[in-house]
Amino acid sequence: AQSVSQHNHHVILSEAASLELGCNYSYGGTVNLFWYVQYPGQHLQLLLKYFSGDPLVKGIKGFEAEFIKSKFSFNLRKPSVQWSDTAEYFCAVNPNMFSGGYNKLIFGAGTRLAVHP
Amino acid sequence: DAGVTQSPTHLIKTRGQHVTLRCSPISGHKSVSWYQQVLGQGPQFIFQYYEKEERGRGNFPDRFSARQFPNYSSELNVNALLLGDSALYLCASRPTGLGEQYFGPGTRLTVT
Repeated sequence: AQSVSQHNHHVILSEAASLELGCNYSYGGTVNLFWYVQYPGQHLQLLLKYFSGDPLVKGIKGFEAEFIKSKFSFNLRKPSVQWSDTAEYFCAVNPNMFSGGYNKLIFGAGTRLAVHP
Repeated sequence: DAGVTQSPTHLIKTRGQHVTLRCSPISGHKSVSWYQQVLGQGPQFIFQYYEKEERGRGNFPDRFSARQFPNYSSELNVNALLLGDSALYLCASRPTGLGEQYFGPGTRLTVT
């Protein structure tokens, strides 16, 4: 079955620390990859996406992610986190992007990030 | 620009009852998807509608149904509610072609 695994359920960092959140998926075909963020009290927002091309993608607020096809991974990184990055982060995969408009997202369980000043 | 809107914001129902949740997509978006997010988990895909036709269905029982209207808004219906249906129900819309899904704020359903 198609699935997405996020290795860290809770992460606690101090401001200015570096961040890396792991994401692995199980699907052998063409995929489109996303990281969504949910700030406290807000709805899911897109952080970044990968459709094709350069496997290193840059998103909003200084986040970036690297797609490694051979490892089925799409890890999220930020060199220096801020208190305002406190949120829940979700990795998501769309394994059927080109199949008749079918557009299902498979989400990981999420990682709660707490950044302390 | 208005984002995806959902109503109601919160809802409390009793086991066995029926519920209807509503979603209005971003203007111009013809694809609407529904997701269920149980506390502590990521969203789970329920349905996708595109041009008023069901294009995909997740692993949910037949108690869950949905439809899309000519103006591309959508309803999610759940019959015979169970305690386990308590969750945040998210609606997302997407423009035609490649593109990410834009999520609404969700409807928090509590079944007692």
